[in-house]
Amino acid sequence: EAGVAQSPRYKIIEKRQSVAFWCNPISGHATLYWYQQILGQGPKLLIQFQNNGVVDDSQLPKDRFSAERLKGVDSTLKIQPAKLEDSAVYLCASSQTEWEVNYGYTFGSGTRLTVV
Amino acid sequence: AQTVTQSQPEMSVQEAETVTLSCTYDTSESNYYLFWYKQPPSRQMILVIRQEAYKQQNATENRFSVNFQKAAKSFSLKISDSQLGDTAMYFCAFMRRGGSNYKLTFGKGTLLTVNP
Repeated sequence: EAGVAQSPRYKIIEKRQSVAFWCNPISGHATLYWYQQILGQGPKLLIQFQNNGVVDDSQLPKDRFSAERLKGVDSTLKIQPAKLEDSAVYLCASSQTEWEVNYGYTFGSGTRLTVV
Repeated sequence: AQTVTQSQPEMSVQEAETVTLSCTYDTSESNYYLFWYKQPPSRQMILVIRQEAYKQQNATENRFSVNFQKAAKSFSLKISDSQLGDTAMYFCAFMRRGGSNYKLTFGKGTLLTVNP
């Protein structure tokens, strides 16, 4: 079974530029998550999708961050304009059944963003 | 809101010895899950072990075991017979049980180094 795919693996941009990250979850997984992991901290949930609907985006900075999951499959997270404090690893994860959720869902390897 | 605290930023252990990583949490929920995740340099979060709050018996997975003290809100991870491949960041995480929001709340992590 293929894992959660993310791209790019690394990205360096200047502040005020825009950037997009892509995530392809495990086939058939209805739930998709984006987490932000700032250096020295644990991951923080930005948004959770159930199919193509949003379950929780309470910690997404909506003035600059946006995310979509068209057709309930892959997802894109965008930052526009980027700030220095957005430098972080952006992790995508997915899950299908409640069993999978309760046993810990599957993460991708993340995109490391550096804003200079 | 839930909080997870890991008070040990870094720990080291000799190969084949035993080490214990600490985690405390704060919640008003009565039904929840606790997890330990491992994050090697590849950045992918890997589930190590989970504990259901309603179960009194401590979870074990091969060389990994937990000491779950619900009243004290403590959830420590013991790694026996440490191996070089155990070197990684370890994160303690909390998930509320029930509903459709599967948010994981993470601690700041403990960097474990296993020395040969």
